[in-house]
Amino acid sequence: DIQMTQSPSSLSASVGDRVTITCRASQSISSYLNWYQQKPGKAPNLLIYAASSLQSGVPSRFSGSGSGTDFTLTISSLQPEDFATYYCQQSYSTLCTFGQGTKLEIK
Amino acid sequence: QVQLVQSGAEVKKPGASVEVSCKASGYTFTNYAIHWVRQAPGQRLEWMGWISAGNGITKYSQKFLGRVTITRDTSASTAYMELSSLRSEDTAVYYCARRCEDYGDYVFCFWGQGTLVTVSS
Repeated sequence: DIQMTQSPSSLSASVGDRVTITCRASQSISSYLNWYQQKPGKAPNLLIYAASSLQSGVPSRFSGSGSGTDFTLTISSLQPEDFATYYCQQSYSTLCTFGQGTKLEIK
Repeated sequence: QVQLVQSGAEVKKPGASVEVSCKASGYTFTNYAIHWVRQAPGQRLEWMGWISAGNGITKYSQKFLGRVTITRDTSASTAYMELSSLRSEDTAVYYCARRCEDYGDYVFCFWGQGTLVTVSS
């Protein structure tokens, strides 16, 4: 199985801050990397697919980059509704796997 | 609009089985696979398997092989996930999900609301 490791596991930030979350794959996954946002009690919501493509309807303050084994999700200016948990997911193999999540909290 | 509506919460004893349903609407059911993903409390999302709603072919994660069975009823546009030999570690929210239109088989745009399965004696 391809292991996905996110860092940090939790992060405190303020409204307006620029935030970066990192995801590392245990082997190369090309650009088959997706990012989801999950709020408490809700299903995940797709933000970024194919490492850097913004899902329709997602605000442009979200962006993704990377290829191979190292990827980042950046939120350029945090808004109150962005405080949530973020998961990366590899869709390179037919056994897709997720990172352990990064909980973004209000400072 | 695409909707996936799951059955309600379940409480089961260790060793029992549970079946969760996922009713799809807003699209042609047989055109897409339905995936099952679970999330134990405070844990990462974990893919369990999928079923091709068109021909019924299934694929399961090795971790659940032998304990999970995914089926579908095309007349009801509904997929089912049965997990057997339940243990406390199976306590989790179980989600069904469907891929996006164009991004690849394992990129999920549509999710059910989740079903909490609690395994407790």
